This record gives sequence, C-alpha cells and structure tokens, in this order.
Amino acid sequence: AQSVTQPDIHITVSEGASLELRCNYSYGATPYLFWYVQSPGQGLQLLLKYFSGDTLVQGIKGFEAEFKRSQSSFNLRKPSVHWSDAAEYFCAVGAGGFKTIFGAGTRLFVKA
Amino acid sequence: DTGVSQDPRHKITKRGQNVTFRCDPISEHNRLYWYRQTLGQGPEFLTYFQNEAQLEKSRLLSDRFSAERPKGSFSTLEIQRTEQGDSAMYLCASSLARGGRSGNTIYFGEGSWLTVV
Repeated sequence: AQSVTQPDIHITVSEGASLELRCNYSYGATPYLFWYVQSPGQGLQLLLKYFSGDTLVQGIKGFEAEFKRSQSSFNLRKPSVHWSDAAEYFCAVGAGGFKTIFGAGTRLFVKA
Repeated sequence: DTGVSQDPRHKITKRGQNVTFRCDPISEHNRLYWYRQTLGQGPEFLTYFQNEAQLEKSRLLSDRFSAERPKGSFSTLEIQRTEQGDSAMYLCASSLARGGRSGNTIYFGEGSWLTVV
C-alpha cells in the first residue's frame, strides 16, 4: 500500500534563509505527488504537483520540488523564506484512481 | 469565489447529538471527497463520490457516519450519536477526474471543525 513519510515534525528557519522539507513515499509505480500548505484553522492549499515529465516542478509562492525516483523522494524547497510561509506543509501521494494519501505534516516556524 | 465551500465552519455539540456538515464542491468537479484531520496529523480519507455514487468508504467511517451526494452536486456528512473521539476537522475536497496521466488533483475546502463536549 502507498504511504508517505515526512521525517521532520517541525523545522525552524530564519527569514531569508533557504528551506528544504523532506518527503519520502512508498508506491510500486510512478506516483502522482503533491505538496499542500495549511495555515492554522484553514483548509489545505495546493502548492505544486508532479504527474510526469520534468522532475523539477515549480509551484506557487516561489516553491519548487524535485522528484527523485531512485530515492523515492519529493522534497520541497524555497530559496528564501518569508515570515508568511510559517504554516504546516503536507506531502501527499496519489496512486491513481481516487485515493490521495497524506503524510503527517511538517510545521515550519520562521524566526526574524 | 468558486472554490469548495463547507458549512458550518465550526460546530460544538454535546455527546450523543447528531450533526450534519454540508459541502459544495467546485461546480464542474465530478468527484467529491471527505477527509478527517485531527491535531498534529495529516488528513485521513473517509469516503468519496463519483457523481452521485459513493464508491469507497474507509474503515474509519463507522456505522454512525453517513455521507450522501443526492444529485451529484453538494454532499452532506452526518454523524449520529456523536462521541468525544469524533472531535476533529472534517475536510471536503473535490476533483475533476480525467483519464490518462492527467492525474487527480484534489482541492480542499476550509474545513468544518467539530468539538464534541
């Protein structure tokens, strides 16, 4: 069965510093991969997605993610973090069909 | 705003009462999903509809839970005889399912918070 692991429960980054959030997935075929962001008390907003093609995917708000099949990873990156990026980030895998499975999330704290 | 909308956003109820949540998906989307999220966790799949047909239910969805999508548009999620363990955020999402590798991107509503006291 497919699964998603986000190894870091929380990460603290200084404003202006670079960010990388880790995501590892388990799935037998080429997955659909997603990153979502959630502000407190809100729903999830789609940041970016990978279905096929170029393994480096650009998203909204300056985020990008790279699909590495050999490492079963889909890490999220941003070159310069803003205070407004503080939120919970969820990696998800879709195995085709209907079901999308989410990781437990990584909470990002941004310090001034 | 043509996103997914949910109502109510917050509900406090006494244990044993019934509650119902409503979801209006993005208008052209043919799939509708319900997820549950508790503090510190990612969303957990509950059930989904393709048009008006409920095609899959998670084992998390006990007999006290029922979901409907009567005309293939809006959906309701009812919880009967609520328990404190039902306290969570209930997220609705929708997608436009296409064939091939176009994938199945789901778009979420703002969620409905349930507190059972």
